[in-house]
Amino acid sequence: QVQLQQSGPRLVKVSETLSLTCSVSGASMNDYYWSWIRQHPGKGLEWIGYIYYSRTTNYNPSLRSRATISQDTSRNQFSLKLTSVTPADTAIYYCVNHGLARNDGYFDRWGQGILVTVSS
Amino acid sequence: EIVMTQSPVTLSVSPGERATLSCRASQSVGTLLAWYQQKPGQAPRLLIYGASTRATGVPPRFSGSGSETEFTLTISSLQSEDSAVYYCQQYYHWPPYTFGQGSTLEIK
Repeated sequence: QVQLQQSGPRLVKVSETLSLTCSVSGASMNDYYWSWIRQHPGKGLEWIGYIYYSRTTNYNPSLRSRATISQDTSRNQFSLKLTSVTPADTAIYYCVNHGLARNDGYFDRWGQGILVTVSS
Repeated sequence: EIVMTQSPVTLSVSPGERATLSCRASQSVGTLLAWYQQKPGQAPRLLIYGASTRATGVPPRFSGSGSETEFTLTISSLQSEDSAVYYCQQYYHWPPYTFGQGSTLEIK
């Protein structure tokens, strides 16, 4: 059973880079897409992007210029970097997995979520 | 980008009764639609995928239906633990995968 454990700083300063890591257990990283999703406080869910097989990535056009997702297969981890953050990037960030087939684009397993606050 | 619109925003239902939540897509998504339940302080939980298939461990009182642009999540015989926010998500046209804004279900 896939389990996802997130880590990273809870507080980031304006204009700096938000960095989060998700550690994967119970699955091969080659068997799924690995995504990041965020949720602004009290609001809905926004998909940020995914990575597959360490090199294939796809991003939400709204965040493509600032988001980078990378993968360290040897450590069974994948990471999110979001540059030039503003208070509007304050949100709970989740890592999730989903299947490779066209029909499997739903998010099955979720990390615990990390509230990242952007402050000056 | 496909816009997902959920209704109602808030629904209040008595225990034992039935709740019906709706989700509309701005264009056809076939049956590539999922439903999630989110309780306060928790990550969302997958309930339904493929518009009507229950995820592992989801009680049979949760059922999904619909296709193309109109979808419904029905929760029969409501229990107190069903109080939550429910989100729909399409995975037909991406990027980006998109979610509805959520419907809050309150148990009276």
